[in-house]
Amino acid sequence: QSVLTQPPSVSGAPGQRVTISCTGSTSNIGAGHDVHWYQQLPGTSPKLLIYLNNNRPSGVPDRFSGSKSGTSASLAITGLQAEDEADYYCQSYDSSLSGSMYVFGTGTKVIVL
Amino acid sequence: EVQLVESGGGLVKPGGSLRLSCAGSGFTFSDYSMHWVRQAPGKGLEWVSSITSSSDFRYFADSVQGRFTISRDDAKNSLYLQMNSLRAEDTAVYYCARDPYIAVAGTSGPKWFGPWGQGTLVTVSS
Repeated sequence: QSVLTQPPSVSGAPGQRVTISCTGSTSNIGAGHDVHWYQQLPGTSPKLLIYLNNNRPSGVPDRFSGSKSGTSASLAITGLQAEDEADYYCQSYDSSLSGSMYVFGTGTKVIVL
Repeated sequence: EVQLVESGGGLVKPGGSLRLSCAGSGFTFSDYSMHWVRQAPGKGLEWVSSITSSSDFRYFADSVQGRFTISRDDAKNSLYLQMNSLRAEDTAVYYCARDPYIAVAGTSGPKWFGPWGQGTLVTVSS
């Protein structure tokens, strides 16, 4: 019952740029709540990739960037590398009276061709 | 180095109970709010429950409200999730996660997740 919608998959050749969209609503992203992104490599636990829309934790390459506008957000990966093949999830906070506090996106698999 | 290690997963029959644990190390456990997030096989992430430092507030997703309880023992640097009346749809890997930083008293704190554990698998099946 994900509240945030992402494309199931995106693909690109090494070196290319790919973007992942994350579409919410007026009770989460559109309400001004920040968006965060996680990377989940195959067989591992999620790892924080971007926080507060466009900030990278130390150790995350600057090939990863985030943005937010209105009820949507995006994650961009430039200079795509083989090790970027993973699942990516956006996450925000939902302030509706019912439902979850923390909401995740449906997840996007990045395929490196 | 911050470490979170979950344990307690396993196979349980529908209607049964299970208690998950998460042991934290490498940081002052009592200073941080803690969370449980789950991932059904082949599916996405779903927030389950959160507990603030000092256990002042506890929050639950609608899907587990009334069936799951969250608690912590700061003396043991441990977080717990007591799961009752388990259903097939509770089958998932359960991750514990920590707040990314210590929330300032009186503020709402960060609304994202910092370090995560490796997860423990819960299977609900007859």
